Amino acid sequence: GQQVMQIPQYQHVQEGEDFTTYCNSSTTLSNIQWYKQRPGGHPVFLIQLVKSGEVKKQKRLTFQFGEAKKNSSLHITATQTTDVGTYFCAGRAQKLVFGQGTRLTINP
Amino acid sequence: SQTIHQWPATLVQPVGSPLSLECTVEGTSNPNLYWYRQAAGRGLQLLFYSVGIGQISSEVPQNLSASRPQDRQFILSSKKLLLSDSGFYLCAWRAGTSTTEAFFGQGTRLTVV
Repeated sequence: GQQVMQIPQYQHVQEGEDFTTYCNSSTTLSNIQWYKQRPGGHPVFLIQLVKSGEVKKQKRLTFQFGEAKKNSSLHITATQTTDVGTYFCAGRAQKLVFGQGTRLTINP
Repeated sequence: SQTIHQWPATLVQPVGSPLSLECTVEGTSNPNLYWYRQAAGRGLQLLFYSVGIGQISSEVPQNLSASRPQDRQFILSSKKLLLSDSGFYLCAWRAGTSTTEAFFGQGTRLTVV
């Protein structure tokens, strides 16, 4: 069954506010990936984290991998309407199991 | 370059009818292939994955089945659809390691009526 938990399930923010989604695994992950799915679209790869404690940035997006490699987070600074969508973390080696996703909506 | 094709884009089927969704990948060999289902506003549920021809791992017991008759072809089937089979079906592929990104097809929106 699903072993990658993601919270919150939904998040509504005002444009310009920050947003964070968290991913937790019951077991150590060799790596974790993050995807974004726009409304009506398909998931698109954002980034992969491999090393313990790793932090990567993509413009306003900051991705972190926990020291124990059991949790990860995605933080968006100063959200824009283009950030709307559902953000998924994914892990579990060959199976590529996804978290439940966090659906971000933004009030312009 | 690699591409993934999934069809049809939308499908309306009556309860009890059969289903066949096809996914093909071009430009790569021996990919890992995946079928996911997404209920409206929900997460991605892994249904099947395959690491090679004829090798299918089922994640959720249900009335769906998958087959991989060729290296780059992945088929999702059902003999008799249920109302609960409605959803957004996504096919994905990635290179045969656990450290590569997955690429998704455009998805099939299935409505069982």
